[in-house]
Amino acid sequence: GAVVSQHPSRVICKSGTSVKIECRSLDFQATTMFWYRQFPKQSLMLMATSNEGSKATYEQGVEKDKFLINHASLTLSTLTVTSAHPEDSSFYICSAPTGTGKNEQFFGPGTRLTVL
Amino acid sequence: EDKVVQSPLSLVVHEGDTVTLNCSYEVTNFRSLLWYKQEKKAPTFLFMLTSSGIEKKSGRLSSILDKKELFSILNITATQTGDSAIYLCAVALQGAQKLVFGQGTRLTINP
Repeated sequence: GAVVSQHPSRVICKSGTSVKIECRSLDFQATTMFWYRQFPKQSLMLMATSNEGSKATYEQGVEKDKFLINHASLTLSTLTVTSAHPEDSSFYICSAPTGTGKNEQFFGPGTRLTVL
Repeated sequence: EDKVVQSPLSLVVHEGDTVTLNCSYEVTNFRSLLWYKQEKKAPTFLFMLTSSGIEKKSGRLSSILDKKELFSILNITATQTGDSAIYLCAVALQGAQKLVFGQGTRLTINP
């Protein structure tokens, strides 16, 4: 099946720093990618839809100035957590739709962010 | 508001048992329902269901959708310890590629 990669897989940073997470579709083009956040023992919460060539669409309650999304090419979307704080510590996962009618979504392996 | 609800939230059984996981939904414009298995990292795709009453099967796992009653079940027979995971149900909406996820069911299989 289709492959989506994320980098880094794990990052630990100090409070106040910014962290960039990359999501790549390795063997297909993705005009749309999705960014999710998952807190321990909770489900995936959609944060935003990343659109190649246009602005990202953010879900209600997600600060667009804090979580900057750039869909630089048909195979790369980046999420930058700006001025990270301990409450931003979470598991961040991206996905990209593919397959017939774009019905299937393939997930990246996720990035575990820990903010000290 | 679009909503997907899974039950139970947590389930502990013995190896060899059969389990049934439930997923109900209330969405404005249903397109398909998907089941995922999540172990330590990202979810892996299990099934996609679009039509009522047609069972999808993969080994010991099977799933079916009831679009009239707005729910789906995921069955796992002869469970093994490797089936321990969080099982996520998600609904895809018409006209949008994003998924609405349920809370997940944490399944633990004890030897």
